[in-house]
Amino acid sequence: EAQVTQNPRYLITVTGKKLTVTCSQNMNHEYMSWYRQDPGLGLRQIYYSMNVEVTDKGDVPEGYKVSRKEKRNFPLILESPSPNQTSLYFCASKGPLGNYGYTFGSGTRLTVV
Amino acid sequence: AQSVTQLGSHVSVSEGALVLLRCNYSSSVPPYLFWYVQYPNQGLQLLLKYTSAATLVKGINGFEAEFKKSETSFHLTKPSAHMSDAAEYFCAVRYDAGGTSYGKLTFGQGTILTVHP
Repeated sequence: EAQVTQNPRYLITVTGKKLTVTCSQNMNHEYMSWYRQDPGLGLRQIYYSMNVEVTDKGDVPEGYKVSRKEKRNFPLILESPSPNQTSLYFCASKGPLGNYGYTFGSGTRLTVV
Repeated sequence: AQSVTQLGSHVSVSEGALVLLRCNYSSSVPPYLFWYVQYPNQGLQLLLKYTSAATLVKGINGFEAEFKKSETSFHLTKPSAHMSDAAEYFCAVRYDAGGTSYGKLTFGQGTILTVHP
């Protein structure tokens, strides 16, 4: 089954403790992206990657890092989480130009205390 | 920069009534437009998309949307609401202008639909 898999689904952590949210897709998509969802703000793009070793900032990149060493994986790294990063996070991937379909992961609900 | 505005953060309807969720976008080039639905504690599911073919787009679960270029709108409708339609709905826009805008989906703020018996 074509899918984007995120882990973990739920995470509670303390301020300053580094964490990684993993994202993996099995569709051989080149484009991958991370979004955060907050009430009243919709989904906002954090980082995206157009291919292996090619990443760039989205609209709200502060406090986050990403890497793209392999096509299938696009982890989101919070080096020093803060309470304002408490949010629902989604990973997404997209097929080549002209393919309009995005596939979203199931989401990771992160709470930073 | 592309942007999407959803009018009304909360919409409440009675079961069987018309559902109308409003979405307006800003665009200097033809956009691709999407509606997603998010049920409680779940991810995003694509309802329908406009990709410059027919202006009236039919989606899943009886929803449809009409692209109106003159009004820069892409409102979502369903003739008769069902209790199972209760969810949050997001309008999103994407441009293939190349460069850093490629692939980026810009979302509206979301509209929570409540359906009363």
